[in-house]
Amino acid sequence: DGGITQSPKYLFRKEGQNVTLSCEQNLNHDAMYWYRQDPGQGLRLIYYSQIVNDFQKGDIAEGYSVSREKKESFPLTVTSAQKNPTAFYLCASSIVDRLNTEAFFGQGTRLTVV
Amino acid sequence: AQSVTQLGSHVSVSEGALVLLRCNYSSSVPPYLFWYVQYPNQGLQLLLKYTSAATLVKGINGFEAEFKKSETSFHLTKPSAHMSDAAEYFCAVRRPSGTYKYIFGTGTRLKVLA
Repeated sequence: DGGITQSPKYLFRKEGQNVTLSCEQNLNHDAMYWYRQDPGQGLRLIYYSQIVNDFQKGDIAEGYSVSREKKESFPLTVTSAQKNPTAFYLCASSIVDRLNTEAFFGQGTRLTVV
Repeated sequence: AQSVTQLGSHVSVSEGALVLLRCNYSSSVPPYLFWYVQYPNQGLQLLLKYTSAATLVKGINGFEAEFKKSETSFHLTKPSAHMSDAAEYFCAVRRPSGTYKYIFGTGTRLKVLA
């Protein structure tokens, strides 16, 4: 089945650690996105990529980094510079050149600072 | 800037009653519009999307939405609520040109009372 796989589902981070969230898609989509979800704030865009080896900052990129070395993969690193990383993280992908198409989402990763 | 507003962060309805979830967008050019549903600790699932082919759009699980350009609205409705409709609902827009980002509202949590 085609889809987006996020791993792990739950992740715990100690203060000062960097952690990497995995996102893989087999939908052959060019665009991929990372969103952060906090209660009452909806989904906020962290980074997005429209093509391999290129990505842009979203609205809340500080303290995060990404790479896009392969079309199917878009990992997100939460660095120690992100002061409040506890949240639910969602990865999505979409077709780029047909704007009336929807984004497809993974099942999310819940990150908790311990 | 493109944005979307969802009125009411929490909505409660009785089982069998009409569901109405509100979404207004701000744009001088009608954007592409989407409604998603999210169950606890899961990703987002597409309910329906507006693609300019018809102003009344039917989606999954008995939901529909009507695009009203004069009111810049895309409200989600369902004639008769079911207990399984309890979830969080997000309205999203995608610009018709330029970047290909999806912008999400802050969400409406629907509670269905027995």
